[in-house]
Amino acid sequence: DARVTQTPRHKVTEMGQEVTMRCQPILGHNTVFWYRQTMMQGLELLAYFRNRAPLDDSGMPKDRFSAEMPDATLATLKIQPSEPRDSAVYFCASGGGYSNQPQHFGDGTRLSIL
Amino acid sequence: AQTVTQSQPEMSVQEAETVTLSCTYDTSESDYYLFWYKQPPSRQMILVIRQEAYKQQNATENRFSVNFQKAAKSFSLKISDSQLGDAAMYFCAYRSFGAGSYQLTFGKGTKLSVIP
Repeated sequence: DARVTQTPRHKVTEMGQEVTMRCQPILGHNTVFWYRQTMMQGLELLAYFRNRAPLDDSGMPKDRFSAEMPDATLATLKIQPSEPRDSAVYFCASGGGYSNQPQHFGDGTRLSIL
Repeated sequence: AQTVTQSQPEMSVQEAETVTLSCTYDTSESDYYLFWYKQPPSRQMILVIRQEAYKQQNATENRFSVNFQKAAKSFSLKISDSQLGDAAMYFCAYRSFGAGSYQLTFGKGTKLSVIP
């Protein structure tokens, strides 16, 4: 089965450090999403791309977060500088180009900022 | 903006019994999609079932079925013959219909425990 691959699976780092999370979408999928999951807020959309172009990043704190798709097989989410409140599970999902097609999620990156 | 509400933070069911998880949503749109996702302790998000709002027939996938009440904006998930592997967080999600409407709006989730 094709899967969305996220790395790393876990990340522990100190406040102020740069964090980079990577995602390899399913081959052929042209939409990529970044979600953040916390106990308090649940699952929130941070950003998404279609055909590598950012369509919406309104859910993302712009001063410290950035999301890119350098090519069709790689999406990145960076936090610089990281803060303890960024601790969460970050999911990447990919899907086809139509709204009736389901999104397929990666296993997430559990991020802990000390 | 659309909102999705899951009013049951936790539920439990006896193995082999049936359980229903509730979901309501708020939207002004007439066409949209609804989903149930399962998140076991492994953290993976797994699509359980999907419903198109323009279809009157309720979706079914093996032991999983939905009761979609469009006028009431209700989308409940029924799990029949519950198994230990069904224990997980279940999330209801909404997606608009049409070009550019790709993102999911999630409810806060219901934690389902299955009692042997």
